[in-house]
Amino acid sequence: AQKVTQAQTEISVVEKEDVTLDCVYETRDTTYYLFWYKQPPSGELVFLIRRNSFDEQNEISGRYSWNFQKSTSSFNFTITASQVVDSAVYFCALSEELRGGSQGNLIFGKGTKLSVKP
Amino acid sequence: NAGVTQTPKFQVLKTGQSMTLQCAQDMNHEYMSWYRQDPGMGLRLIHYSVGAGITDQGEVPNGYNVSRSTTEDFPLRLLSAAPSQTSVYFCASSYSIQQETQYFGPGTRLLVL
Repeated sequence: AQKVTQAQTEISVVEKEDVTLDCVYETRDTTYYLFWYKQPPSGELVFLIRRNSFDEQNEISGRYSWNFQKSTSSFNFTITASQVVDSAVYFCALSEELRGGSQGNLIFGKGTKLSVKP
Repeated sequence: NAGVTQTPKFQVLKTGQSMTLQCAQDMNHEYMSWYRQDPGMGLRLIHYSVGAGITDQGEVPNGYNVSRSTTEDFPLRLLSAAPSQTSVYFCASSYSIQQETQYFGPGTRLLVL
């Protein structure tokens, strides 16, 4: 069965520290997609990144970077020089194959709550 | 574009009451879905639709009905509300079923007493 595990329930750091949020997934599909979403205290879900299973290149976007390693089924997220505005719950998600073979629904991890203190 | 909109933002129901959570998108997205978010549980899929007239069940469909008569709208109906349905409900949409990025509405907070 497909599954996403975010083992870190809560993380607390001081501003300017680097922090890595772990995501480990299980899937039998050969084609799949991985996502990260941010949920700030206001409650909306903000899309951060999508990565397909054939692209193992790391990605960097400003202070955010993602490390995808198929060998360990991990898709970790690092925030460099964290800021108070990064405080949020972060969700990792895996796409699920629908009937008919296309990729569709998302399976979410339980989220990691990040608190960045000034 | 307004994106994905949800109404109401907050609702209180009594056990046994019925109600409809509205979801609409103006991006001509084929795929729409409903998730519920409970503390410590992440988001779980309730129902989804890959186009007008086509719906299917997700992980936790019991107690909920959906229909998709237009591309824009995907309402979620609670037939007889129970306290276990107290949750935050998110609607999402994407352009197609080929795993385009899903964009989420602002959520509806539901309290069932």
